[in-house]
Amino acid sequence: SQKIEQNSEALNIQEGKTATLTCNYTNYSPAYLQWYRQDPGRGPVFLLLIRENEKEKRKERLKVTFDTTLKQSLFHITASQPADSATYLCALGNYGQNFVFGPGTRLSVLP
Amino acid sequence: DTAVSQTPKYLVTQMGNDKSIKCEQNLGHDTMYWYKQDSKKFLKIMFSYNNKELIINETVPNRFSPKSPDKAHLNLHINSLELGDSAVYFCASSQDGGGRNIQYFGAGTRLSVL
Repeated sequence: SQKIEQNSEALNIQEGKTATLTCNYTNYSPAYLQWYRQDPGRGPVFLLLIRENEKEKRKERLKVTFDTTLKQSLFHITASQPADSATYLCALGNYGQNFVFGPGTRLSVLP
Repeated sequence: DTAVSQTPKYLVTQMGNDKSIKCEQNLGHDTMYWYKQDSKKFLKIMFSYNNKELIINETVPNRFSPKSPDKAHLNLHINSLELGDSAVYFCASSQDGGGRNIQYFGAGTRLSVL
């Protein structure tokens, strides 16, 4: 069965550093991979989408990579700020199929 | 205007009761979803629905049923509530089905079954 893992349940980093979150999957070949941010008491909010034929996507301080050979996506936040503290979810999807979400990583950026 | 709104935000009820959660989207999307997020924060899809097709996650008990009066609404009815149903339920919508579409989520309904 499909399995999605995100590197750790929680990640603490110092303000100004680059946060790197990982999303690994098995028994799946997604055509799309998305990253969402979820704040406490709120629904997930879309951040970035990357397709299987794309290696890297950037948006402001965010960067996502997608390695279909390693079955892994990396999500980077550069120059991290305390306001970046949240839970980050990866989601895998395919043509005409519903998403499967990972368990999430709770990021804390310490001032 | 809130793109995806769901009510109520909190729902506290007794075991065995029947309850409904309402969801509305004003984005003009064709597909709506219900997700369950349990205490371990795992977000699992329960249903996806557009005007042509209802896809049910096979692990969802048949006590749960989606009802869609029109394209902008997808309500969730739960019969004979059980303790294990306690969770946060999220409604979401997307332009159409499939993994290339961005999903827009409501703020969630926290259901507590006593």
